[in-house]
Amino acid sequence: GAGVSQSPSNKVTEKGKDVELRCDPISGHTALYWYRQSLGQGLEFLIYFQGNSAPDKSGLPSDRFSAERTGGSVSTLTIQRTQQEDSAVYLCASSLGRSSYEQYFGPGTRLTVT
Amino acid sequence: AQSVTQLDSHVSVSEGTPVLLRCNYSSSYSPSLFWYVQHPNKGLQLLLKYTSAATLVKGINGFEAEFKKSETSFHLTKPSAHMSDAAEYFCVVSVSGGATNKLIFGTGTLLAVQP
Repeated sequence: GAGVSQSPSNKVTEKGKDVELRCDPISGHTALYWYRQSLGQGLEFLIYFQGNSAPDKSGLPSDRFSAERTGGSVSTLTIQRTQQEDSAVYLCASSLGRSSYEQYFGPGTRLTVT
Repeated sequence: AQSVTQLDSHVSVSEGTPVLLRCNYSSSYSPSLFWYVQHPNKGLQLLLKYTSAATLVKGINGFEAEFKKSETSFHLTKPSAHMSDAAEYFCVVSVSGGATNKLIFGTGTLLAVQP
């Protein structure tokens, strides 16, 4: 079946602009996650959704970052007033549920802030 | 707090020789551990997982890992390396409880396979 999809695959934006990154999880997966992969910080957790609720937002680096999920499916990660340090690959993953269920990752969105 | 430490940032092997990628974990209870692989410009792919069943876990593409509680290790092995195994490998621990449910990644080991 279809895996996790993300769009756009690449995004170049100017410093100070807002960006929206989209994630379509695997159908039927109730849990959705956002991670960030950057050279300096490695792979780091951003936020976890169970259904449309986000019980763990502890990884969001600042209040410029927000995310929502609608209909228990698609999620959007929004970065306001982008900074150069936001440049990274943003990865989305989904799983059947929480606990020991494995997470399946999308191909990522490469964000470059100029 | 739970964490994983990958002991080697780079490993180079010759094609046809064994692969050993080392990972130690820190956890106050029985952890769920994973190995993921990331090929250049590709997404993360699950290789295998340990969730307190058999201590020797077999994964895809001939990889396996052994959970050793006494050594707090979860090393990844493969008997014979193939050129297509060249990639970055991440040891991962799952943190789940209360409001949280997330993966904590190691810093990665870049595997090079020489012809």
